[in-house]
Amino acid sequence: QVTLRESGPALVKPAQTLTLTCSFSGFSLNTGGMCVSWIRQPPGKALEWLALIDWSDEKYFTPSLRARLTISKDTSRNQVLLTMTDMDPMDTATYFCARGLGYKDAFDVWGQGTTVTVST
Amino acid sequence: SYELTQPPSVSVAPGQTARIACGGDGLERKSVFWYQQKPGQAPLLVIFYDKDRPSGFPERFSGSYSDNTATLTITGVEVGDEADYYCHVWDNRSGGVFGGGTRVTVL
Repeated sequence: QVTLRESGPALVKPAQTLTLTCSFSGFSLNTGGMCVSWIRQPPGKALEWLALIDWSDEKYFTPSLRARLTISKDTSRNQVLLTMTDMDPMDTATYFCARGLGYKDAFDVWGQGTTVTVST
Repeated sequence: SYELTQPPSVSVAPGQTARIACGGDGLERKSVFWYQQKPGQAPLLVIFYDKDRPSGFPERFSGSYSDNTATLTITGVEVGDEADYYCHVWDNRSGGVFGGGTRVTVL
């Protein structure tokens, strides 16, 4: 059974750096084609794709946030990390990680999401 | 940046058919994916590669494409189908792109 779980701080201050961890099981990021993406959803708003890392360590980012995002993987721990710098109240959202079976493929399994509030 | 357009809402009576449209430039050259999201839950993949259903997912859900518009159709709508539905494509410049979402209300 494939599962993903997001973890990280529930509250960050403006201008701080956010680090989120996606811990997964049931698949390996050493397997050809496998990917993990981060997607966020501000309260009451639509989904927004942020970044993807694949099995070969290729990384892709949404252009509007590329300068603020870093994505990395730790295959020994089955984890994917996302960092977002210079956090702003507009970054308040639920952040999801999701598995993809390939770049440009569907997100077939999602984590439950972790809510991050940016506030003083 | 690439954009996908969805109607904000669709209302349908139980047992009737709901159709949710998703439009975008050059959509015929992209694969469309659809997700269902119920309140407080993570999205769930409903349709992949325009019209394929994950195994075990109800056959009442189907995907199609025509005239630069992808459509998610729910036949015999049930109260449990009330949710937000999002279409999703990959664009070479923008990466992953979601539509604005459509709220399906069962009257």
